Amino acid sequence: GAVVSQHPSWVICKSGTSVKIECRSLDFQATTMFWYRQFPKQSLMLMATSNEGSKATYEQGVEKDKFLINHASLTLSTLTVTSAHPEDSSFYICSARGRDSSSYNSPLHFGNGTRLTVT
Amino acid sequence: DAKTTQPPSMDCAEGRAANLPCNHSTISGNEYVYWYRQIHSQGPQYIIHGLKNNETNEMASLIITEDRKSSTLILPHATLRDTAVYYCIVRAREGGSNYKLTFGKGTLLTVNP
Repeated sequence: GAVVSQHPSWVICKSGTSVKIECRSLDFQATTMFWYRQFPKQSLMLMATSNEGSKATYEQGVEKDKFLINHASLTLSTLTVTSAHPEDSSFYICSARGRDSSSYNSPLHFGNGTRLTVT
Repeated sequence: DAKTTQPPSMDCAEGRAANLPCNHSTISGNEYVYWYRQIHSQGPQYIIHGLKNNETNEMASLIITEDRKSSTLILPHATLRDTAVYYCIVRAREGGSNYKLTFGKGTLLTVNP
């Protein structure tokens, strides 16, 4: 089945530094990737949608200059949390949709998430 | 976007069937119902989806009412490893080939020994 890999699975960084999270589709080409954030005991909140080769579309309230998304290839998207602060500590999850998923009812495949802790 | 309503929590005995309900009374005629689950500290896992017919796969069965206003996910023989938050989602439609999944609060299913 389709596999989406995230790296790192957890990271601790100091306030003010930047952190990059990678999301890779291992056995399919992902034309669209989605980035979610999940705070403790809450549901997943969509942050942005990225299409290969174009700028990401951010959800309302998500700062595009703080959460930089790059989807430069069909198998890799990165999320960079710039100038991280303790309130950015969260569980970040990516999901991907394959090139061959021509019908819009195809399921998304999710990575296993990255736990970010900003101290 | 069609919203879904699920009970916040349910319990089930190991080996018994787990029946998880979902209401989606505002669903549109061509919107699908998806079920995902999230085991603690992991990413969501796709389970099953359907439009109007009942569906079954190796993980679960999906029963959709004739009026499509509600559905039930059935795990036929629940195990301890099925303890997770189960999300019922109606697929949001956007132009072109893009779409997004909007997650509600889901149902925490606890399978007890």
